Amino acid sequence: SQQGEEDPQALSIQEGENATMNCSYKTSINNLQWYRQNSGRGLVHLILIRSNEREKHSGRLRVTLDTSKKSSSLLITASRAADTASYFCATDGNTDKLIFGTGTRLQVFP
Amino acid sequence: GAVVSQHPSWVICKSGTSVKIECRSLDFQATTMFWYRQFPKQSLMLMATSNEGSKATYEQGVEKDKFLINHASLTLSTLTVTSAHPEDSSFYICSARGGARETQYFGPGTRLLVL
Repeated sequence: SQQGEEDPQALSIQEGENATMNCSYKTSINNLQWYRQNSGRGLVHLILIRSNEREKHSGRLRVTLDTSKKSSSLLITASRAADTASYFCATDGNTDKLIFGTGTRLQVFP
Repeated sequence: GAVVSQHPSWVICKSGTSVKIECRSLDFQATTMFWYRQFPKQSLMLMATSNEGSKATYEQGVEKDKFLINHASLTLSTLTVTSAHPEDSSFYICSARGGARETQYFGPGTRLLVL
């Protein structure tokens, strides 16, 4: 399977803490994207980072990419209860298809 | 961001019946649409890629005669689950991408329960 892996599988933190999720993938990529999914809902696009970029910010989100290690991380700073969701990384594998990671379920307690 | 809708949002059907799910891009022309399936607490698995006006490309292990995909216009793709069985019960999600866009925009998903 070309599916990427994320760790941790589940993460529980208190409001105000930072949450870090890691993603590893297997193929070369043009870009890597992070998505968020609330329980039983569709996916919301969070951020896209290209293969020639190393770090990207969007509000409270910070994404890093290390193509030599085929890994990425998503940092959510000052987390809120509303950040509770599953987070997926997805790579394009130099194709027009997205390959999703296994996901991290984040629980933020008020 | 771009908006993608799906209809219905949930459906319950009897085993052996066929179910059609629609995916629409509301404010952009989707040259490519994707259909995914997601089982509980698992990731999304790509089923097929459809380009407007051409036959869908199915992923390995996905039966094209069971999951019929039609992408008749730049704003609409349909997935028909034929002769549905309980093991087809799942969350089906479509996504759409237009032109040179790199980002796929996802619909809200359709939950299918086959009794």
